[in-house]
Amino acid sequence: GAVVSQHPSWVICKSGTSVKIECRSLDFQATTMFWYRQFPKQSLMLMATSNEGSKATYEQGVEKDKFLINHASLTLSTLTVTSAHPEDSSFYICSARVATNRGGEQYFGPGTRLTVT
Amino acid sequence: AQKITQTQPGMFVQEKEAVTLDCTYDTSDQSYGLFWYKQPSSGEMIFLIYQGSYDEQNATEGRYSLNFQKARKSANLVISASQLGDSAMYFCAMREGTSGTYKYIFGTGTRLKVLA
Repeated sequence: GAVVSQHPSWVICKSGTSVKIECRSLDFQATTMFWYRQFPKQSLMLMATSNEGSKATYEQGVEKDKFLINHASLTLSTLTVTSAHPEDSSFYICSARVATNRGGEQYFGPGTRLTVT
Repeated sequence: AQKITQTQPGMFVQEKEAVTLDCTYDTSDQSYGLFWYKQPSSGEMIFLIYQGSYDEQNATEGRYSLNFQKARKSANLVISASQLGDSAMYFCAMREGTSGTYKYIFGTGTRLKVLA
């Protein structure tokens, strides 16, 4: 149980285009989804927290207009990187939170590797 | 100041031996959670173990145990009987906030290499 999928797993796009990444909880309803960014050999940095039906909460330094997050349902959240530039190339990971007695642990998707040329 | 500190960028351990990965944290919250994740080269984050701030006993999950010392604000991961497949990056993370406003903060990670 508690499987989270991400699509696509990798994507290459040209500078200036937009890319949408989907995050789905396959066998549970996730009230909260998180989006992280990970540069090579670095840690995960939280970009935003997404609650179903409400606007995402962005971390300091993350551009809301550049990284559009839509949490359309309890099983789907999307991250759109608008007008992508090479510096946006990174590994993007989503996670979905399950309200369990384990303190709200989160389950991660497999990640999406974005390369902007 | 770092909220999660992992001071060991890399560690080696002999197969079948035990290894301890260090993690210290900093928070003013009374209620918080501590997690360890494994990230193999494929990139996926694999949940290993969880310790709640009010849990009196150290968490254990198979070969993984968490040495929780609240007063010292440390949450070290102990892997017993290391296996070659344990070679990966290991991240310590802390959950702050309350339900509905949870936020997870990750340490910089420790790369573990298990030697045959």
